[in-house]
Amino acid sequence: QSVLTQPPSVSGAPGQGATISCTGNTSNIGAGYNVHWYQQLPGAAPKLLIYANTNRPSGVPDRFSGSKSGTSASLAITGLQPEDEADYYCQSYDSSLSAWVFGGGTKLTVL
Amino acid sequence: QVQLQQWGAGLLKPSETLSLTCAVSGGSFTDYSWTWLRQSPGKGLEWIGEVRHDGLTNYNPSLKSRVTMSIDTSKNLFSLSLMSVTAADTAVYFCARNSSVPPLGFDFWGQGTLVTVSS
Repeated sequence: QSVLTQPPSVSGAPGQGATISCTGNTSNIGAGYNVHWYQQLPGAAPKLLIYANTNRPSGVPDRFSGSKSGTSASLAITGLQPEDEADYYCQSYDSSLSAWVFGGGTKLTVL
Repeated sequence: QVQLQQWGAGLLKPSETLSLTCAVSGGSFTDYSWTWLRQSPGKGLEWIGEVRHDGLTNYNPSLKSRVTMSIDTSKNLFSLSLMSVTAADTAVYFCARNSSVPPLGFDFWGQGTLVTVSS
């Protein structure tokens, strides 16, 4: 059971959009800690996709965007492409656990 | 460009000690925390702990009793030791760079090492 809750799977058609939610509580996201998002392709290490809630590292397409409100955060992907098929993880800090924590991951399928 | 290259034994017996090392090239070694994470087969990510350039460590409370991390700033290396492993420790282990101030997340990762614990 992960500290941050994500839907196990989401899907969308090429060119369409998809949104992945990440729900925490008042010890992590709701306490004001930043949320980061990672993309993991099969057999590869995770790759930082969004940092500090809304920021994209250099090289990440602007089709990817992040937001945060209250005890939740979201990753939005527009203009879905086949190469976007991957697992996506949210991450934050939890003060009650004194640990960096992750969501359970969401598998994105581009239909 | 920052690169992390990790290595260590991939097959252990129960009760043995897991040892992994990660070498960092490119970028500053002193401005970040150096982190170990793991991912059990088909499951999500778990933060194991981190070590700073000054040797200060911070471990996941769930693993703290078995974990030791160290750092060699002269060689830009950091290491993980996990004692008394069991089958539950079977996972892909990753090293990564973490910046919390400013909050950049885990921005560079090693390639991962599959560690299997089996008798």
